[in-house]
Amino acid sequence: KAGVTQTPRYLIKTRGQQVTLSCSPISGHRSVSWYQQTPGQGLQFLFEYFSETQRNKGNFPGRFSGRQFSNSRSEMNVSTLELGDSALYLCASSTGQVGVYEQYFGPGTRLTVT
Amino acid sequence: AQKVTQAQTEISVVEKEDVTLDCVYETRDTTYYLFWYKQPPSGELVFLIRRNSFDEQNEISGRYSWNFQKSTSSFNFTITASQVVDSAVYFCALSEEAGTALIFGKGTTLSVSS
Repeated sequence: KAGVTQTPRYLIKTRGQQVTLSCSPISGHRSVSWYQQTPGQGLQFLFEYFSETQRNKGNFPGRFSGRQFSNSRSEMNVSTLELGDSALYLCASSTGQVGVYEQYFGPGTRLTVT
Repeated sequence: AQKVTQAQTEISVVEKEDVTLDCVYETRDTTYYLFWYKQPPSGELVFLIRRNSFDEQNEISGRYSWNFQKSTSSFNFTITASQVVDSAVYFCALSEEAGTALIFGKGTTLSVSS
């Protein structure tokens, strides 16, 4: 079974631009979560989507948004990029079923904002 | 509020030594889930184990073992006879809702030298 895939793997953007990251979950998984990893703040939860609906949200500004498609693929968008948005963005998938809690992570997208 | 503390920032051992990674958590919920993840230099988080709050049975899997103690709010991880390939950052995480919003500790960097 293929794992979680994320594209692109690396990205360089300029402050003020916007960016879209993509995540394809493991086949059959309906839940996709996004996390931001920085040296200072560590791993922080952004949001989770299940069956095309945002089910949970972390404490991030509205510049961070996401969506999920009917095939469970998810995209994350960051508008008006700031230097502090430079981070590794990790996507995780799980079945979303009650009683199944493990999240499986993709390789991440490393975003650099200059 | 939820919180996960990994007091050890970095640990260095020589191959074949046993090493224990500490994790202390805070939560007000009676039902919660604890996880350990490994992040090798490649960056992808690898799921190791999940424990439910109502299951204090400790577990051994090969060279890995976990010690969950609700009385001290600890969920420690031991690697027996460490190997160079065990070198990675290890994260302890807590979730108060099934499969969503993992709260991570800051991680412990384990370096195993030959």
